[in-house]
Amino acid sequence: SQKIEQNSEALNIQEGKTATLTCNYTNYSPAYLQWYRQDPGRGPVFLLLIRENEKEKRKERLKVTFDTTLKQSLFHITASQPADSATYLCAFFSGGYNKLIFGAGTRLAVHP
Amino acid sequence: DAGVIQSPRHEVTEMGQEVTLRCKPISGHDYLFWYRQTMMRGLELLIYFNNNVPIDDSGMPEDRFSAKMPNASFSTLKIQPSEPRDSAVYFCASSFGQASLYGYTFGSGTRLTVV
Repeated sequence: SQKIEQNSEALNIQEGKTATLTCNYTNYSPAYLQWYRQDPGRGPVFLLLIRENEKEKRKERLKVTFDTTLKQSLFHITASQPADSATYLCAFFSGGYNKLIFGAGTRLAVHP
Repeated sequence: DAGVIQSPRHEVTEMGQEVTLRCKPISGHDYLFWYRQTMMRGLELLIYFNNNVPIDDSGMPEDRFSAKMPNASFSTLKIQPSEPRDSAVYFCASSFGQASLYGYTFGSGTRLTVV
């Protein structure tokens, strides 16, 4: 069955370092994927979308990669700040499944 | 635009009671989604509408759940009768286009507790 896996353990890093979050998928052929940020008590907020024919996408301090061979997406936050602390969710949309499926999310904590 | 508006923010009800959750999507968005989030199962899609018409309700857990969208600016998710296992955060989201290149816009959610 279709699966999206994100590291369930929280990622703790020091301010100024680069945070890297991983999203793996199986039994999918996603046309593209999205990354969202979720703060406690709030709904997810859309950050970035990357298509299957794009290797990399950037937006300010954010970078997303999409490797269809490895079936993996990496999400990077450079020069991380305590304000970046949140849960980050990846989501895949596959035309065949016709719905946006979310991973469980990885909690990021950036320490001063 | 004020974004996707959900009400109430919190709901505590007794088992067996009817619960109605409300959502106002962003004006101009043609898709509306209802998701449920729990620690165990994460974000699950329950049902979605396109131009007020239900397209896929395969995620609705059982017949106790129903959703309507009488017009482009309002949707409800009803649970009758409610059970403790329905306790979760329910999110409404809207988008322009299902496979939105601009992502889905989520509301702040309704935290439902059934005791």
